[in-house]
Amino acid sequence: GEDVEQSLFLSVREGDSSVINCTYTDSSSTYLYWYKQEPGAGLQLLTYIFSNMDMKQDQRLTVLLNKKDKHLSLRIADTQTGDSAIYFCAEKVGGGGNKLTFGTGTQLKVEL
Amino acid sequence: NAGVMQNPRHLVRRRGQEARLRCSPMKGHSHVYWYRQLPEEGLKFMVYLQKENIIDESGMPKERFSAEFPKEGPSILRIQQVVRGDSAAYFCASSAGTKETQYFGPGTRLLVL
Repeated sequence: GEDVEQSLFLSVREGDSSVINCTYTDSSSTYLYWYKQEPGAGLQLLTYIFSNMDMKQDQRLTVLLNKKDKHLSLRIADTQTGDSAIYFCAEKVGGGGNKLTFGTGTQLKVEL
Repeated sequence: NAGVMQNPRHLVRRRGQEARLRCSPMKGHSHVYWYRQLPEEGLKFMVYLQKENIIDESGMPKERFSAEFPKEGPSILRIQQVVRGDSAAYFCASSAGTKETQYFGPGTRLLVL
């Protein structure tokens, strides 16, 4: 079945690294995504990873995928106050479907 | 290249009225998706459309909700006889193809009084 879970809150100090975790249950996921949502705004695509990859790095963002444990993480290096937002992971399941299944979101708060 | 556009951004309706939400996909995109975000929750898939066709409506409520994506013009999500439980943010996304990344619009926030 489809179920994506995230912890609800994360608080870090400015300049530290943030690690946001996500677990999913569907082993046929093809792509996994990270989106950022600021208050009152839409979803901004941050990065994505194909299911046959273990890691992807894009500037301050590092995505790690453990397919055996169905665990996805997003690491933000040198976290800034502008990174404060809700972060959603989402999976796209194979088998011809194209819908995304989202987690409940992790609210990241960056403190000075 | 303009992104996904949605209007209105905010919509207030009284119970029993109709709500029409519009989505214009990114230029060159022919695949449109609608998602609903209830307060304090993640996004839930509603429907996936290509031009003039509904491909997957497995997330659409059986009654009062309908969606279309005509040959010309934006995609429309229509909610008839709205109830308070329909209050949510409705997001549209578009992609260039079935396996392509979905890009989201700013959403329409519907409030039913």
